[in-house]
Amino acid sequence: EDKVVQSPLSLVVHEGDTVTLNCSYEVTNFRSLLWYKQEKKAPTFLFMLTSSGIEKKSGRLSSILDKKELFSILNITATQTGDSAVYLCAVEARTGANNLFFGTGTRLTVIP
Amino acid sequence: NAGVTQTPKFQVLKTGQSMTLQCAQDMNHEYMSWYRQDPGMGLRLIHYSVGAGITDQGEVPNGYNVSRSTTEDFPLRLLSAAPSQTSVYFCASRRTANTEAFFGQGTRLTVV
Repeated sequence: EDKVVQSPLSLVVHEGDTVTLNCSYEVTNFRSLLWYKQEKKAPTFLFMLTSSGIEKKSGRLSSILDKKELFSILNITATQTGDSAVYLCAVEARTGANNLFFGTGTRLTVIP
Repeated sequence: NAGVTQTPKFQVLKTGQSMTLQCAQDMNHEYMSWYRQDPGMGLRLIHYSVGAGITDQGEVPNGYNVSRSTTEDFPLRLLSAAPSQTSVYFCASRRTANTEAFFGQGTRLTVV
C-alpha cells in the first residue's frame, strides 16, 4: 500500500531558526513529490521534485529529493512568524490516474 | 483569476440529509479531485476525474457520488449525511499528470 510519512508531526521554533521537515514515502512507480503550505485554508504549492539530488529553491525555502532512500526534506532558513503553517508532502504515482497521496503534515509554529 | 471555486464555505446538515458541494475551475484542467481533511489524517482522496465523463473512486468513496458532465465542474454529492462525514472538503484540479494541483478554499461540513 502506498504510504507517505512526515516528521516531525509538529515543531515550535523561534524566529530566525532554521528548520528541516522530513517526508519519506513508499509508492509504487513513483513519478514526483510535491510540497504544499497550508495556513488557514487551501494548500498552496511550494515545490515539485522529480529528480534526485537537484535542489529546488525559493527565497528562504529549499527542498531536495533522494529517490534511492525514498525521502525528501524541506528546509526553511531564518524563519519568520509568517512561516507558521502546516506543511504537506504529497507523492504522485505512475498509475492510470496519477493521483496524489498526502502525508499527515508537519505543523510548524514560529514564535517571535 | 478565479482558479478553483468551491461553494458553500460552511454547511451544517442533519443526519440523513443530502447535499451537493460545488466545485468549478476555469483553467481548463483535465484532472479534478475531491479530498477530505480530518485532524491527524492528512488529505484523503474521495473521488477523482481525469476528464469530462470519466470518474473513479479514491481511497474513501463510501457515502459520496460525483459526476463530471463538463470540464469545468465536478460536484460532490452526499447521499445521506452521517456524523462521520463531518470534515473539511477540498476540491483540486491539475492540468495533467506531473503538474501541481490547485486547491479550492474548502468547505467545512458539520453533520449533527
